[in-house]
Amino acid sequence: KAGVTQTPRYLIKTRGQQVTLSCSPISGHRSVSWYQQTPGQGLQFLFEYFSETQRNKGNFPGRFSGRQFSNSRSEMNVSTLELGDSALYLCASSLRGDRTGELFFGEGSRLTVL
Amino acid sequence: GQQVMQIPQYQHVQEGEDFTTYCNSSTTLSNIQWYKQRPGGHPVFLIQLVKSGEVKKQKRLTFQFGEAKKNSSLHITATQTTDVGTYFCAGDGGGGFKTIFGAGTRLFVKA
Repeated sequence: KAGVTQTPRYLIKTRGQQVTLSCSPISGHRSVSWYQQTPGQGLQFLFEYFSETQRNKGNFPGRFSGRQFSNSRSEMNVSTLELGDSALYLCASSLRGDRTGELFFGEGSRLTVL
Repeated sequence: GQQVMQIPQYQHVQEGEDFTTYCNSSTTLSNIQWYKQRPGGHPVFLIQLVKSGEVKKQKRLTFQFGEAKKNSSLHITATQTTDVGTYFCAGDGGGGFKTIFGAGTRLFVKA
């Protein structure tokens, strides 16, 4: 069974640009969560999607957005990039429907903003 | 909002020594999960505890969930160099569908 796939793995952008990251969950998993990981802040929750609906979101500015498609694949977008957005963005899928459960993480997309 | 605090931030041990990391939540948790992230890797699920006072073992790893379901610990007996990495606890962030991670404890093991 294929794991969680994130693309691209690495990318470099400049301030003011926007970026779109993609996540394909494990087959059968309908929940997708996104996290931002930085050395100083650890793993920060961005948002969670289930069946194309955002069920929860973290404390990030509106520049961070996401969506989920009918096939459970998810994308997140960051607009007007800032230097502080440089981080590893991790996607995690889960079987959970009505409660929290084990998260399966992808390898992450490492974003560098110059 | 709910917070999950984890200590220590770093731990250096000699191979063969024991290691413990502690996790505390500001609110009662429905469950607690533990993950391990190797350097350069991604977090990998280790275990989930659900019941008050629950204790689970995986070989040299012992996981505990407090009676009040607000704290947890991970204890590694006789560490090995393969244990290096960052150990995270994670709990339900309240409101459902939001897993909140502690800051993690990075373990260094000297051979």
